[in-house]
Amino acid sequence: NAGVTQTPKFQVLKTGQSMTLQCAQDMNHEYMSWYRQDPGMGLRLIHYSVGAGITDQGEVPNGYNVSRSTTEDFPLRLLSAAPSQTSVYFCASSYSFIFTTGRSGNTIYFGEGSWLTVV
Amino acid sequence: DAKTTQPTSMDCAEGRAANLPCNHSTISGNEYVYWYRQIHSQGPQYIIHGLKNNETNEMASLIITEDRKSSTLILPHATLRDTAVYYCIVRSETDSWGKLQFGAGTQVVVTP
Repeated sequence: NAGVTQTPKFQVLKTGQSMTLQCAQDMNHEYMSWYRQDPGMGLRLIHYSVGAGITDQGEVPNGYNVSRSTTEDFPLRLLSAAPSQTSVYFCASSYSFIFTTGRSGNTIYFGEGSWLTVV
Repeated sequence: DAKTTQPTSMDCAEGRAANLPCNHSTISGNEYVYWYRQIHSQGPQYIIHGLKNNETNEMASLIITEDRKSSTLILPHATLRDTAVYYCIVRSETDSWGKLQFGAGTQVVVTP
């Protein structure tokens, strides 16, 4: 059981380049989401998904695309990177309801983060 | 609008109890109080949650006032590894986890 796995851990992009941050979870969670965290700031929600084939925008969706073709994977795509997208990105996953089986249903699990620099 | 208010920072001596306050004066009857923490350069980690009763687990205790307008997270014996940003969040059981919103949190520094 690996939990939430993000790749790559570090990435440097040039302005205008595209890339995809990968996120995978092996806990059969319905919900998956992407956050960004800028230095000294809290987490801000980019996009989230309530299940395969369903995605929705969060607080700061501009410049990012997502898709959810499987339960396990939730990639985040930057189509044309900008310096303002320099940040740490966290992927997270959870069961759908608070009372889902056991303690694990009561929490959301985060990946270790992906550090992205756009120059 | 922010649902919770926390102090920006606080210090705590190693071995002493750390008491982290959180105000949530507009909390609804079906909203839970959750606490997470984020150690530097790591993803956020769940600590504890509660509805109206006080809760305790292996990491911390959560004290919720009778009117539920505020709560306190207690780390009973703080260690240097407890240095982190602590987030207080309110969430209804019917809210999508995908809409979980983190504020700025409280930066806790545990000193020797």
